[in-house]
Amino acid sequence: GAGVSQSPSNKVTEKGKDVELRCDPISGHTALYWYRQSLGQGLEFLIYFQGNSAPDKSGLPSDRFSAERTGGSVSTLTIQRTQQEDSAVYLCASSLGGLSNSPLHFGNGTRLTVT
Amino acid sequence: DAKTTQPNSMESNEEEPVHLPCNHSTISGTDYIHWYRQLPSQGPEYVIHGLTSNVNNRMASLAIAEDRKSSTLILHRATLRDAAVYYCIGENRDDKIIFGKGTRLHILP
Repeated sequence: GAGVSQSPSNKVTEKGKDVELRCDPISGHTALYWYRQSLGQGLEFLIYFQGNSAPDKSGLPSDRFSAERTGGSVSTLTIQRTQQEDSAVYLCASSLGGLSNSPLHFGNGTRLTVT
Repeated sequence: DAKTTQPNSMESNEEEPVHLPCNHSTISGTDYIHWYRQLPSQGPEYVIHGLTSNVNNRMASLAIAEDRKSSTLILHRATLRDAAVYYCIGENRDDKIIFGKGTRLHILP
């Protein structure tokens, strides 16, 4: 079946512009996660959705970052006024619900380059 | 938080077994232990998970210590395609799933 889909796969933007990154989770997966991975680094947790709700937004790096999820499905991560330090691969993952016994399924990420 | 510690890197010869250790001494009694791996230029992929009993699947085996403070991912016969960063995770109660730095596994032909 279809896995987690992210778009675009690559995005180059000028400093100061806004960008939107999209994640289509696996159908029926209620939990959705966003991570950021800078070059050669580990995964940095950004935000988690259960359904359309994000109980904790403290992982977002700054108030330029926001995320929403509608209809319990597609999620959008928005970065306003992009900075060069925002350059990274942004990864989305989904799971059936709660990690306790539900593996995460990752997309291939969006590589964001801010020039 | 269920914090985990893993060696930064390991090496193994091709076609030999590999044992990747992980310490998760603060894990709670109901937290599952998950393992993921990340191949170059790809998103992480699920490998295996378990709670108390040892687990086997087509990719690997997971051996969990009796006190659950550590676990070992076992690749029975490493191939060059198994070269990746392997992450061990213990679930956090507030559902933040935090990845550590993982172990970079090098496979020698």
